[in-house]
Amino acid sequence: DIQMTQSPSSLSASIGDRVTITCRASQSIDIFLHWYQQKPGKAPNLLISAASSLQSGVPSRFSGSGSGTDFTLAISNLQPEDFATYYCQQTYRTPPYTFGQGTKLEIK
Amino acid sequence: QVQLVESGGGLVKPGGSLRLSCAASGFTFSDHYMSWIRQAPGKGLEWVSYISSSGSSKYYADSVKGRFTISKDNAKNSLYLHMNSLRAEDTAVYYCTRDGNDSSMKYWGQGTLVTVSS
Repeated sequence: DIQMTQSPSSLSASIGDRVTITCRASQSIDIFLHWYQQKPGKAPNLLISAASSLQSGVPSRFSGSGSGTDFTLAISNLQPEDFATYYCQQTYRTPPYTFGQGTKLEIK
Repeated sequence: QVQLVESGGGLVKPGGSLRLSCAASGFTFSDHYMSWIRQAPGKGLEWVSYISSSGSSKYYADSVKGRFTISKDNAKNSLYLHMNSLRAEDTAVYYCTRDGNDSSMKYWGQGTLVTVSS
């Protein structure tokens, strides 16, 4: 099975900052890497699919990059509503479709 | 608009069984792959199971293989998860998802809580 290592596990930042979260796969997954945002008590929301494809309605301050084994989610100009937990997930070939451990983004 | 509504969660004793349902609307259910994802209290997301659009292909996480069965009824626009031999570690919120062409979880239900406890 493909393992996903996400870092950091938590992150403190201020409004207006730029932050990056990384996700590393245990083997090449091409661009089958997706990013989700989850707020407390809510279902996750797909932000970026296929490494860099921003979903409709997601602000352009979110961006994704990478291919193969190393991926990055960047959030620029942090807004209050961005403080949440972020997960990466791989969907390369057949399941299991593993998630990273999550990154909790908190206000400094 | 796409809607996914889970039901069937509740309190069950260890070793017991439960069937979760997910009612889908707003899209052609028979055209889409579907998944179940769970989240234990205070923990991260765990992929549980996946079913192809026709229902002919099914996959399971090792943690539930042999105990859980995924199915879909395209005539009723419904997805199911039959859970047997439940354990305390199966306690979680269970979400159904509609998957995209790249198998990303594009749409999520609101979740249903399963608690396994004596």
